[in-house]
Amino acid sequence: QQQVKQSPQSLIVQKGGISIINCAYENTAFDYFPWYQQFPGKGPALLIAIRPDVSEKKEGRFTISFNKSAKQFSLHIMDSQPGDSATYFCAASIRGSGQNFVFGPGTRLSVLP
Amino acid sequence: NAGVTQTPKFQVLKTGQSMTLQCAQDMNHNSMYWYRQDPGMGLRLIYYSASEGTTDKGEVPNGYNVSRLNKREFSLRLESAAPSQTSVYFCASSEAFRFSGSDEQFFGPGTRLTVL
Repeated sequence: QQQVKQSPQSLIVQKGGISIINCAYENTAFDYFPWYQQFPGKGPALLIAIRPDVSEKKEGRFTISFNKSAKQFSLHIMDSQPGDSATYFCAASIRGSGQNFVFGPGTRLSVLP
Repeated sequence: NAGVTQTPKFQVLKTGQSMTLQCAQDMNHNSMYWYRQDPGMGLRLIYYSASEGTTDKGEVPNGYNVSRLNKREFSLRLESAAPSQTSVYFCASSEAFRFSGSDEQFFGPGTRLTVL
């Protein structure tokens, strides 16, 4: 019940295209859904996060869509750039309860110039 | 403001050797975490500390011990290293404490450990 599933495992997109990564969770107690971005040789860094009281959150070219009834959420990267090439992790947690932070397996995104 | 720092950056051990990974944060965060990252498996929580003097097991604690020395420092010890512990280890911290504070986790640069 703690698992977070993520797809696809890898994604190749042309510059200017839309990148879409999907995640699904099982534990209905989760109430915080962040996306982390990780460049090679670096630690992950928070990209954008959403709470279940809204269905969408947008920050620049990055948008999270959240479907509470389906227990799914997704990351959309508009106008994808080569600099977006990185590994993306979705995660889920119970707010303020760090030990319940669960990460998906990651998606390696490559944006071709 | 260095954020989260980890030492060492790289380490090679032989089976059975011991070592301690060091982590420090300068953001006055309450919670600190140790994760391991393996290909295709994301980040898995090894141990968690909600505050100075408290630690809790995560998803994969076997073979590891931790110490929350003070609010800034959280170390991870491998008492008898095994090849299965070959991984990249990340330390992280967050404000989150007793269901309040920001949940954002700040990660260190990682330690790449190889056990032969």
